[in-house]
Amino acid sequence: DAGVTQSPTHLIKTRGQHVTLRCSPISGHKSVSWYQQVLGQGPQFIFQYYEKEERGRGNFPDRFSARQFPNYSSELNVNALLLGDSALYLCASSNSGTSVRTGELFFGEGSRLTVL
Amino acid sequence: SQKIEQNSEALNIQEGKTATLTCNYTNYSPAYLQWYRQDPGRGPVFLLLIRENEKEKRKERLKVTFDTTLKQSLFHITASQPADSATYLCAPTSGRYSTLTFGKGTMLLVSP
Repeated sequence: DAGVTQSPTHLIKTRGQHVTLRCSPISGHKSVSWYQQVLGQGPQFIFQYYEKEERGRGNFPDRFSARQFPNYSSELNVNALLLGDSALYLCASSNSGTSVRTGELFFGEGSRLTVL
Repeated sequence: SQKIEQNSEALNIQEGKTATLTCNYTNYSPAYLQWYRQDPGRGPVFLLLIRENEKEKRKERLKVTFDTTLKQSLFHITASQPADSATYLCAPTSGRYSTLTFGKGTMLLVSP
């Protein structure tokens, strides 16, 4: 079975541009979360979606937005890119939308964004 | 505000020894605590989850303890191997949803 897949794996943008990152969860998983990981730091929560509804939002500006599609795939959009947005963007899926009691998040390999 | 502290310096140990990593948290009471492994340039991989009413949990060469009084979790790898070299992240969790707050992680280096 395929794991969580993310695209693109690497991309370079310039300040002020817009970026869209894509994620396909593990088959059967209805919850998708997005995390930002800056070099040397742990992943930081951005959004969580379950059944196409936003269930959580981290402390990120409105330039960051996301959505989940009927097939449970998801997109993360970032507008007006800043140098500080350079990071590894991780998508994670899980089989529970309301609790972590059943366990873990399954992460993709991430999209490495560089903003010049 | 909630704070999670993991050993900031890399932990260097010799193959065969036991590695012990520490995760301390303040200003909240997590119901669960998860540990993940992350290799360079890759996404984190889940290792263990321990609940607040569990003092200890084991999985093969891994052992995790959870002391809610000390607000601390210890992560042990026994008989360590060079393949165990990676960054280990802890995530104390109190939220209802799958929103994890991670520590910065501790890099473990196991030398042959």
